Amino acid sequence: EAGVVQSPRYKIIEKKQPVAFWCNPISGHNTLYWYLQNLGQGPELLIRYENEEAVDDSQLPKDRFSAERLKGVDSTLKIQPAELGDSAVYLCASSPRGDFYNEQFFGPGTRLTVL
Amino acid sequence: AQSVSQHNHHVILSEAASLELGCNYSYGGTVNLFWYVQYPGQHLQLLLKYFSGDPLVKGIKGFEAEFIKSKFSFNLRKPSVQWSDTAEYFCAVTPYSGGGADGLTFGKGTHLIIQP
Repeated sequence: EAGVVQSPRYKIIEKKQPVAFWCNPISGHNTLYWYLQNLGQGPELLIRYENEEAVDDSQLPKDRFSAERLKGVDSTLKIQPAELGDSAVYLCASSPRGDFYNEQFFGPGTRLTVL
Repeated sequence: AQSVSQHNHHVILSEAASLELGCNYSYGGTVNLFWYVQYPGQHLQLLLKYFSGDPLVKGIKGFEAEFIKSKFSFNLRKPSVQWSDTAEYFCAVTPYSGGGADGLTFGKGTHLIIQP
């Protein structure tokens, strides 16, 4: 079974530029999560999708961050414009369904460096 | 809101030593508890999880963890570590909100180095 796929794996941009990250969850997984992981910290949830609906985006900085999950499969996370403090690893995870008992499977992450 | 505290940020052990990594969470309701591991250059992988029942749970690669509800703790243990256990270990919690699986709340992680 293929795991969660993310691209790109690495991205270097100048501040104020836009950037987008793509995630393809495990086939059949209805729930998709985006996390942010700063250096030396644990991942922090940005947004959770149940199919195509964003059911928890309370931690997403909506002034510059946006996300979409068209057709309830792939998802894109965008930052516009990027700031120096956005340098981090952006993780995508998926789960078979959005209930209490299911574990989350993580992708390799996209490491963003903002110069 | 829930939070997770991992007591040790860096641990160095010799091979064959016993391991215990501390994890405490704060949340007043029902929770799921997890330990994830991230080996160098690899993605986060689940080591073990607790949902209900026997508070002593066994995971992959000889790891186990004990849920002590009265102490809000979920410590990770392994009786004899190997060099290949060198990795970052994260404790995580999900509260049961009744509306589905919330995102995980992670601790800051423990960087474990096993010396040969």
